[in-house]
Amino acid sequence: KAGVTQTPRYLIKTRGQQVTLSCSPISGHRSVSWYQQTPGQGLQFLFEYFSETQRNKGNFPGRFSGRQFSNSRSEMNVSTLELGDSALYLCASSRTGTPGAFFGQGTRLTVV
Amino acid sequence: QQQVKQSPQSLIVQKGGISIINCAYENTAFDYFPWYQQFPGKGPALLIAIRPDVSEKKEGRFTISFNKSAKQFSLHIMDSQPGDSATYFCAASTSNTGNQFYFGTGTSLTVIP
Repeated sequence: KAGVTQTPRYLIKTRGQQVTLSCSPISGHRSVSWYQQTPGQGLQFLFEYFSETQRNKGNFPGRFSGRQFSNSRSEMNVSTLELGDSALYLCASSRTGTPGAFFGQGTRLTVV
Repeated sequence: QQQVKQSPQSLIVQKGGISIINCAYENTAFDYFPWYQQFPGKGPALLIAIRPDVSEKKEGRFTISFNKSAKQFSLHIMDSQPGDSATYFCAASTSNTGNQFYFGTGTSLTVIP
């Protein structure tokens, strides 16, 4: 069974630009959540989507947004990039009614 | 505000020894406590998890001990191996918030051969 797939793996963007990251969950998993991982702040929850609806949202500015498609694939978008947005962005999926999330390898975003 | 506090930040253990990582939480609504293992360049991998209705859960060399009254839980790695060298994260979530996990700050474990 294929795991969670995130694309691209690495990304370099310039301050002020916007970026879109993609996540394909494990087949059959309808919940997709996004996390930001940095050395200083650790793993922080961004948002969770279930059946194309945002179910939970973390404490991040409105520049961070996401969406989920009918096939459960998800994208997250960061607009007006700042240097502090440089991080590993992780996507995790889970099966309905089953706790525990399975993470992808992440997208390493570097803002210069 | 760190909802889950993890210690130690780093740990060095001899091969064959026991590695112990501790976590504490405040929110009594938390009802699911997973541990994740992360290797460099990889995403976190679910290692073992526990619910507060049991005090201990064991899977192979990995054991979670849970103390509900103290609001603490710990990961014990028995017979630690060099391949266990990784960063370990504890986490917590509530049934009401789906997969919104609150993570500890991580413990970097090094197992010396």
